Amino acid sequence: EPEVTQTPSHQVTQMGQEVILRCVPISNHLYFYWYRQILGQKVEFLVSFYNNEISEKSEIFDDQFSVERPDGSNFTLKIRSTKLEDSAMYFCASLDPPAETQYFGPGTRLLVL
Amino acid sequence: EDKVVQSPLSLVVHEGDTVTLNCSYEVTNFRSLLWYKQEKKAPTFLFMLTSSGIEKKSGRLSSILDKKELSSILNITATQTGDSAIYLCAVLDTGNQFYFGTGTSLTVIP
Repeated sequence: EPEVTQTPSHQVTQMGQEVILRCVPISNHLYFYWYRQILGQKVEFLVSFYNNEISEKSEIFDDQFSVERPDGSNFTLKIRSTKLEDSAMYFCASLDPPAETQYFGPGTRLLVL
Repeated sequence: EDKVVQSPLSLVVHEGDTVTLNCSYEVTNFRSLLWYKQEKKAPTFLFMLTSSGIEKKSGRLSSILDKKELSSILNITATQTGDSAIYLCAVLDTGNQFYFGTGTSLTVIP
């Protein structure tokens, strides 16, 4: 069965440092997403990406965040200067509209100290 | 403000029971409603519903969308302990943005 993969599974960083979270979506999917889930809270949408550009972003996705699909397979989320409140599980997902299915990656747990 | 509300927040049942989970939404430019099961980590996709009144079924799970009532239900029949999880509802709008509910926590007791 196809799967979305994410690396690393865990990342610990110091406040103010930059982090890059990596995702490899399912190859024939066209829509890609990043979400975050702070411990004990609900899943929150960050950004959607289609046709090599951002199609929608939430209020959380401010100037500190950016996404890229540098090589046609990887889909990355960069946080430029991490804050304590960025500590969360970050999920990548890809969507195949014709098949009406969406797959989540296993997540990256980010801890900002 | 667009939002998705799920009820109940939590539910405890015995194995073999049937449960119905509810999701209501107020989302402008609705496109689809999705159900997920979240156990320890990432949500697992269950169903995507776009058309009203058409039931989707997978084993003991089924779901239906009512666009007139702006709601959906997820039914699980003959529950098993492995069904214990948080069930998430999310709405996708035409701008490709997702809105998640807070989830219903289901516990199935043997």
